[in-house]
Amino acid sequence: EDQVTQSPEALRLQEGESSSLNCSYTVSGLRGLFWYRQDPGKGPEFLFTLYSAGEEKEKERLKATLTKKESFLHITAPKPEDSATYLCAVQLLGGGATNKLIFGTGTLLAVQP
Amino acid sequence: KAGVTQTPRYLIKTRGQQVTLSCSPISGHRSVSWYQQTPGQGLQFLFEYFSETQRNKGNFPGRFSGRQFSNSRSEMNVSTLELGDSALYLCASSLGHGGTEAFFGQGTRLTVV
Repeated sequence: EDQVTQSPEALRLQEGESSSLNCSYTVSGLRGLFWYRQDPGKGPEFLFTLYSAGEEKEKERLKATLTKKESFLHITAPKPEDSATYLCAVQLLGGGATNKLIFGTGTLLAVQP
Repeated sequence: KAGVTQTPRYLIKTRGQQVTLSCSPISGHRSVSWYQQTPGQGLQFLFEYFSETQRNKGNFPGRFSGRQFSNSRSEMNVSTLELGDSALYLCASSLGHGGTEAFFGQGTRLTVV
C-alpha cells in the first residue's frame, strides 16, 4: 500500500536553531513529491515540488531535498513566522494521468522567540 | 492573480441534511480536486475533475459526489450528513491533468450537529 510518513509529529525550536523535517515514502512509483505549509484554519500553501532523487530546491530559509526513499525539509535559522504545520505529499506514477496527492500527517513546527 | 476561491467558508448543518460546497479554480486551471481534512485522518483525497469529467475517486461513500462545469468551477455535494462528515473541505486547482502542482483554497469548514 502506498504510504507517506512524516517525522517528527511535532517540533519545537528556538529562533535561529536550524533543524530538518523528514518525509519517508513507500510507493509503487513516484511522479513527484510536494511540500506544503499550512497555517491554522487555512488551506495548504504550496512550497516545493521535487521529481527525481538528488534534486534540491530552496526558498528563503527552507531547502527541500529528495532521495529514493525520503525527502527532507531543512529549516535554517528559523523565525517565529515559520511556525506552521508542514505537509508532505506524493503523486504516483501509473494508473493514468492524475493530480491526486497522498498526504502524510504533517509536522507541527513551533519556533519560539 | 486571484487564487482558489471556496464558498462558503463556514457551514453548520444538521445530521441528515445535504450540503453543496463550491470551488472556483485559478483562472486558466482546468483541473479541480477535493480533499477532506480531519484531525484523525489528515488530508484524504475525495475526487478529481478535469474537463467536466471525474478522472479519479477516493475511498468515500456514494453520499459524496461532485461535478465540474464548463468554466472549470466545481461543486461537491454531501447527502444525508453524518456527524463524522464534520471536517475542513479543501479544493485544489491544477493547470493540467496529471503531474502538475496543486494550489489549495482556504477551505470550507463544515460542522454537522
